[in-house]
Amino acid sequence: IAGITQAPTSQILAAGRRMTLRCTQDMRHNAMYWYRQDLGLGLRLIHYSNTAGTTGKGEVPDGYSVSRANTDDFPLTLASAVPSQTSVYFCASSDSGLAGADTQYFGPGTRLTVL
Amino acid sequence: GQNIDQPTEMTATEGAIVQINCTYQTSGFNGLFWYQQHAGEAPTFLSYNVLDGLEEKGRFSSFLSRSKGYSYLLLKELQMKDSASYLCAVRDSNYQLIWGAGTKLIIKP
Repeated sequence: IAGITQAPTSQILAAGRRMTLRCTQDMRHNAMYWYRQDLGLGLRLIHYSNTAGTTGKGEVPDGYSVSRANTDDFPLTLASAVPSQTSVYFCASSDSGLAGADTQYFGPGTRLTVL
Repeated sequence: GQNIDQPTEMTATEGAIVQINCTYQTSGFNGLFWYQQHAGEAPTFLSYNVLDGLEEKGRFSSFLSRSKGYSYLLLKELQMKDSASYLCAVRDSNYQLIWGAGTKLIIKP
């Protein structure tokens, strides 16, 4: 069982380019999340999905879009990358996203540098 | 606004005990989580508190006081592998996690 996989592991991207970060989970979790982690700041939620077919905006959604066509995949797209999007991006999933000790499990992360 | 505060860095000695504090101000409360994150790796779940009191899990314990907006993570019998960042997160009224910036714990021999 792989859990959550993310691709690529790292990427250097020119400003203005389009980029999709991939996330796949095999735990059949309903909820999935995208976070960015920057030095000195807590994890910040970009977008989330409580179930396949639905998505929602988190704390810092501008410049990012997501889709949830099925349970397993939750890609994050940067339409036109800017240097302030340089960060480590983590995908996470949880069983329900709504209540209880709904533990989030994280992927290994993608380190993105926008020049 | 919503705010989670924890110390930026702490140092402790191998074999000792360390307490990492977390205070929070959030719109609603639906549980508090502690995660461990080794450098360059993903966060991993340590503990969950939703009621006041102490939850013990091996060498790690977590305490919650909802009236004070306060939690701590207690690590006993410290080992070198415990060197990591410890993240406090609160689930708010929208069932979203609000994260602290993390406490970097350095263990010295």
